[in-house]
Amino acid sequence: SSELTQDPAVSVALGQTVRITCQGDSLRSYYAGWYQQKPGQAPLLVIYGKNNRPSGIPDRFSGSSSGNTASLTITGAQAEDEADYYCHSRDSSGDHVVFGGGTKLTVL
Amino acid sequence: QVTLKESGPALVKPTQTLTLTCTFSGFSLSTSAMRVSWIRQPPGKALEWLARIDWDDDKFYSTSLKTRLTISKDTSKNQVVLTMTNMDPVDTATYYCARGYDPFDFWGQGTLVTVSS
Repeated sequence: SSELTQDPAVSVALGQTVRITCQGDSLRSYYAGWYQQKPGQAPLLVIYGKNNRPSGIPDRFSGSSSGNTASLTITGAQAEDEADYYCHSRDSSGDHVVFGGGTKLTVL
Repeated sequence: QVTLKESGPALVKPTQTLTLTCTFSGFSLSTSAMRVSWIRQPPGKALEWLARIDWDDDKFYSTSLKTRLTISKDTSKNQVVLTMTNMDPVDTATYYCARGYDPFDFWGQGTLVTVSS
């Protein structure tokens, strides 16, 4: 299967920790990438590879993977983290990319 | 400083061909391992990868759309062009170009394309 499945919505209290998950068979072979998208903006890469953050991404964002599930963890969620989060991975061919359906994160 | 910017028509009619241009700076598509991809997002929906072109001119397309897509590059102009034939209202979306493939590390601002008669 080349699909990636995400929970449609997740909420977290301000300052608490939240985990956003992404499931798919391709994640057994390839790492997930994670993107944050705020309304009216382009996606922003926040995690890639085993657990890498691009320059400028706060260290409260981290990534992990186990079996067919990849996770994005935000430790100490801030109000500005409220956004849609998308995972992506290569598909089984390795030459195509698939995205998850996205998770809307609400910070309470 | 890496930047990408999409350009093209905001409105196309059904059955027409869409041509989008991605103009970038801060990197060269003639450099080994460089890639540029196109991704789209219908209003309120998820991201969908469309196509990618590599530094060596290898090209890859979404399986579901490959018969309608063509991607090309002009290295001297730092541009990547995507054409999509036989446009339909369901193709209404914001179209993004992005550097890379896995991951997409820099994105353009996106351009909204509406398909309507």
